[in-house]
Amino acid sequence: GEDVEQSLFLSVREGDSSVINCTYTDSSSTYLYWYKQEPGAGLQLLTYIFSNMDMKQDQRLTVLLNKKDKHLSLRIADTQTGDSAIYFCAETPSSGGYNKLIFGAGTRLAVHP
Amino acid sequence: DVKVTQSSRYLVKRTGEKVFLECVQDMDHENMFWYRQDPGLGLRLIYFSYDVKMKEKGDIPEGYSVSREKKERFSLILESASTNQTSMYLCASSEGGSSGNTIYFGEGSWLTVV
Repeated sequence: GEDVEQSLFLSVREGDSSVINCTYTDSSSTYLYWYKQEPGAGLQLLTYIFSNMDMKQDQRLTVLLNKKDKHLSLRIADTQTGDSAIYFCAETPSSGGYNKLIFGAGTRLAVHP
Repeated sequence: DVKVTQSSRYLVKRTGEKVFLECVQDMDHENMFWYRQDPGLGLRLIYFSYDVKMKEKGDIPEGYSVSREKKERFSLILESASTNQTSMYLCASSEGGSSGNTIYFGEGSWLTVV
């Protein structure tokens, strides 16, 4: 079945780069997403990558996709305290349709001075 | 801006009560979803709807039902609340069709069942 896995915690120093990793099982996934959830809030779409791409950059965010290993990563350059949040990786399974997403458990990013 | 509004942010209900969670979106989206979020488990899909009066079960539909009488409104119903339904509930919507359309989330409803 479909599954998305990510580590639960990451702690980084302010100004350093953060790399959040994710693995997924459905090799036919068409889109892979990164969502951010700040405390007490809903999920905000950060970025997404189409499965025929291997990299996407958007300001401080870089998404890398390794289809062979089914590995997705999100790199945040110059991490700030405002980046502290839970980051969810999600895929659209090939059997889904209707935009259903399969989410990972979320990685809690803590940024310290 | 797309807005998905969940009417109740925090609720406390007693075991056995009937609970309604309401969600409204203002972008004329065809698809609407209800997820529940639990620590360490991420988001799990309860039900989704791709059109008025249409619904499909997600991964964890047991103990829940839904209603979509109007396109903009999608309600989640707990017929008889139980303590294991204490959770954060997230509503979402997207344009119709298959994958690739951005899914927009509401702010979430924290439900505590005592």
